[in-house]
Amino acid sequence: DAGVIQSPRHEVTEMGQEVTLRCKPISGHNSLFWYRQTMMRGLELLIYFNNNVPIDDSGMPEDRFSAKMPNASFSTLKIQPSEPRDSAVYFCASSPLISADTQYFGPGTRLTVL
Amino acid sequence: RKEVEQDPGPFNVPEGATVAFNCTYSNSASQSFFWYRQDCRKEPKLLMSVYSSGNEDGRFTAQLNRASQYISLLIRDSKLSDSATYLCVVNRGGSQGNLIFGKGTKLSVKP
Repeated sequence: DAGVIQSPRHEVTEMGQEVTLRCKPISGHNSLFWYRQTMMRGLELLIYFNNNVPIDDSGMPEDRFSAKMPNASFSTLKIQPSEPRDSAVYFCASSPLISADTQYFGPGTRLTVL
Repeated sequence: RKEVEQDPGPFNVPEGATVAFNCTYSNSASQSFFWYRQDCRKEPKLLMSVYSSGNEDGRFTAQLNRASQYISLLIRDSKLSDSATYLCVVNRGGSQGNLIFGKGTKLSVKP
């Protein structure tokens, strides 16, 4: 069975550009999470969805960040406009709703904003 | 006080050694506790859950002390393949899924 799929795996862009990260959760998982990992701050939860509905977006750093989950098999995290301080690894994770603490991570998207 | 605090290490140990990692958390409402493992430039993966009664999985033993808000992980007979960063993870309390990750403890097992 395929795990969590993320694309792209690497993204290099210039400051001010729009960046869209994509995630396909494990089939049958009802919860989806977006995380950001940096050396300074570690792994931080940005937002999570249950049954495609955003539950908690308090971790989203600012209005430049937005996330959507239009259906059970797809989610996007968008940064517009991007800034150098957004450079990080962005992970998507999914879990069954009944055990949302047991999360399966995708391979991550390494974002570099120049 | 940080929500989840770990010694960053690195812990450099020889093969076959026993090594222990500790972690403290600040939210007394937390109900779920885990250790995740992250290899270099890879995603975190669940290693094991941590229960009040303690639990063991092969060479790995996890303990929870709710009174002291303290979690531990013991690795016996360490292998080269145990080299990784070990993340202490705590539920924020209130709802499942809202996890707080420690910054991790780096372990390097040498031949």
